[in-house]
Amino acid sequence: EVQLVESGGGLVQPGGSLRLSCVASEFALSTFWMSWARQAPGKGLEWVATIKQDGSEKYYVDSVRGRFTISRDNAENSLSLQMNSVRAEDTAFYYCARILVVTDTDWYFDLSGRGTLVTVSS
Amino acid sequence: DIQMTQSPSSLSASVGDRITITCRASQTTSSYLNWYQHKPGKAPKLLIYAASALQSGVPSRFSGRGSGTYFTLTISSLQPEDFASYYCQHSWTFGQGTKVEIK
Repeated sequence: EVQLVESGGGLVQPGGSLRLSCVASEFALSTFWMSWARQAPGKGLEWVATIKQDGSEKYYVDSVRGRFTISRDNAENSLSLQMNSVRAEDTAFYYCARILVVTDTDWYFDLSGRGTLVTVSS
Repeated sequence: DIQMTQSPSSLSASVGDRITITCRASQTTSSYLNWYQHKPGKAPKLLIYAASALQSGVPSRFSGRGSGTYFTLTISSLQPEDFASYYCQHSWTFGQGTKVEIK
């Protein structure tokens, strides 16, 4: 089955670090741009970060830039999100998503995982 | 950045009802607007891309229309499995979501 499965979520203290992983099944992750998105409790979906197929381009939402790092290991068919200096407002379900690019200003997420929960609390 | 505004933020409806959700962009997006369904604990699901193209496997009761700054998602006859939250998306930005609840 074509799917994405996230892992690595959990409870982390403010200022701490956590690394999320996403493994792709039944397709080659290397051929796609990939993203992380999140949903905080009671809130809507929010795009977090995106990485190009070869890792040469990375983009971040302003609120995580400088704290989070998106990376990929195409040989392992996996995507990661390193979260440093986490804050209470980073508490959310984090989703890994595959991107289909239409133009340089338009794309959509055609496949997503079920998410992993990150809770930032002391 | 373009802002996406959905309305309503929530609605109550019955099985068999026809409902429409709107999404307005703060500036033109041409026809580059996508719609997703999201249920708690599940993966967000792509329904419509490029404003009106139905994603493979999505039932035909879902339809999308619009261009420029005004878009709609219509469910022609609500089914029990359609009670969920719906989001529009363009580029990096999602709308704030519309929660469809059972009346």
